[in-house]
Amino acid sequence: AQSVTQPDIHITVSEGASLELRCNYSYGATPYLFWYVQSPGQGLQLLLKYFSGDTLVQGIKGFEAEFKRSQSSFNLRKPSVHWSDAAEYFCAVVFTGGGNKLTFGTGTQLKVEL
Amino acid sequence: EPEVTQTPSHQVTQMGQEVILRCVPISNHLYFYWYRQILGQKVEFLVSFYNNEISEKSEIFDDQFSVERPDGSNFTLKIRSTKLEDSAMYFCASSEEYSPLHFGNGTRLTVT
Repeated sequence: AQSVTQPDIHITVSEGASLELRCNYSYGATPYLFWYVQSPGQGLQLLLKYFSGDTLVQGIKGFEAEFKRSQSSFNLRKPSVHWSDAAEYFCAVVFTGGGNKLTFGTGTQLKVEL
Repeated sequence: EPEVTQTPSHQVTQMGQEVILRCVPISNHLYFYWYRQILGQKVEFLVSFYNNEISEKSEIFDDQFSVERPDGSNFTLKIRSTKLEDSAMYFCASSEEYSPLHFGNGTRLTVT
C-alpha cells in the first residue's frame, strides 16, 4: 500500500544546532516529494519539492532535502536552526498516476530551545 | 505572490446546521482541492476538482459534503448537516497540473 511515514512526532533542538527530519514512503515507483511547514494558526507553506533530477534540492528558509531512492527517503535538513523554525513539518507525496493528490505524513513538531 | 484565500478564518456552528466554506484559488490554477486536519492529526485529503467536476474524493467525502465552483473565482465546500466530528481545520488548495499545491490559511470549523 502507498504510504508516507514520519517516524518522529516531536523533535527538540537547540538554536544553532543542525536539524534532520525523516520521511519515508512506500511505493513501487518514484513519487513527487514535498515538504510543507505549518506555523501555529497558519496554513501550509511549501518548503521544497522533488520531481526529478538532482537528488539534493534546496528550498526556502535555508532548508534542503535529499532524495534517496535506495532508502525510499526524503529527509529534510537545515545546518543551523533558528528559533523561528519552530513549527510542524509535513512530508507529502504525490504518487504518480494518482492525479495530483497529496498524501501527507503525520507531521513532526519541531521545538527550538534558546 | 498570488495566494489562496479562505473565508471565514473561524466558523462556529451547531450540530445539524449547514455550513459553506469559501475559497478563492490562485487565478490561473485549474486544480482545486479541499483537505481537512482534525486537531492533533494529520492533514487528510477530501476532494479534488478539475474541469467543473470532482476528479477524486476520499472515503471521508460522503453525501454530506459537496463542492462547487459557482463562478470563475470561488470554490466552496458545503457540509449539509454538520456533526461534532466535522470539527477540524479545513484547507483549500489549488495548483497547476503536476505542480505543488498552494494552500490557504484554513478555516477552523467548530461544531457545538
